[in-house]
Amino acid sequence: AAGVIQSPRHLIKEKRETATLKCYPIPRHDTVYWYQQGPGQDPQFLISFYEKMQSDKGSIPDRFSAQQFSDYHSELNMSSLELGDSALYFCASSLVRSRDRGKGQPYHTDTQYFGPGTRLTVL
Amino acid sequence: GNSVTQMEGPVTLSEEAFLTINCTYTATGYPSLFWYVQYPGEGLQLLLKATKADDKGSNKGFEATYRKETTSFHLEKGSVQVSDSAVYFCALTRINDYKLSFGAGTTVTVRA
Repeated sequence: AAGVIQSPRHLIKEKRETATLKCYPIPRHDTVYWYQQGPGQDPQFLISFYEKMQSDKGSIPDRFSAQQFSDYHSELNMSSLELGDSALYFCASSLVRSRDRGKGQPYHTDTQYFGPGTRLTVL
Repeated sequence: GNSVTQMEGPVTLSEEAFLTINCTYTATGYPSLFWYVQYPGEGLQLLLKATKADDKGSNKGFEATYRKETTSFHLEKGSVQVSDSAVYFCALTRINDYKLSFGAGTTVTVRA
């Protein structure tokens, strides 16, 4: 079965440079999430998109931005990189049970499937 | 807010030993609960999940039961193998909430 694809798998940048991470969700999945995992840490939620609209925002620095495109792939743009940005960046995708969305009914996100991650090293 | 508390590691076991990793949570309503596993140098893989009270998730010999009364989702395996060496994360999502909230992770090392 197709999985979440992330590129590049490894990235080395200098301080103050920019980086763009890409994520291709599982086909038919409509929601993309970005997480940051520092060394020895648990993954921290950054931002998510549902149907190309930002759906939730976590501890994402103002230097970072992201978007989801018409083909549902997503890009995380990181500017003015700092040493502390060195981490594993995971993308995950899911299919929201959208049958009740827009009707004021509670809904629940389905299981999130993670990509292999992009390891960013800032020197 | 949501929080997940996991048993601190690292945990070192011999092959065929019994493994338990405790996980408790704090969340309003009825969250969905997950265990993810991260093998060395790899990404996160879903191990099992449970979406309502008393549900039991199981996969690859691992089990966890959603206990609403004790707000727990402890992971168990009766006989571990060296290949089970990994970091295990307990996580939850709440209804109408997109993001996963993870525990700190428990590193498990199984010796032959």
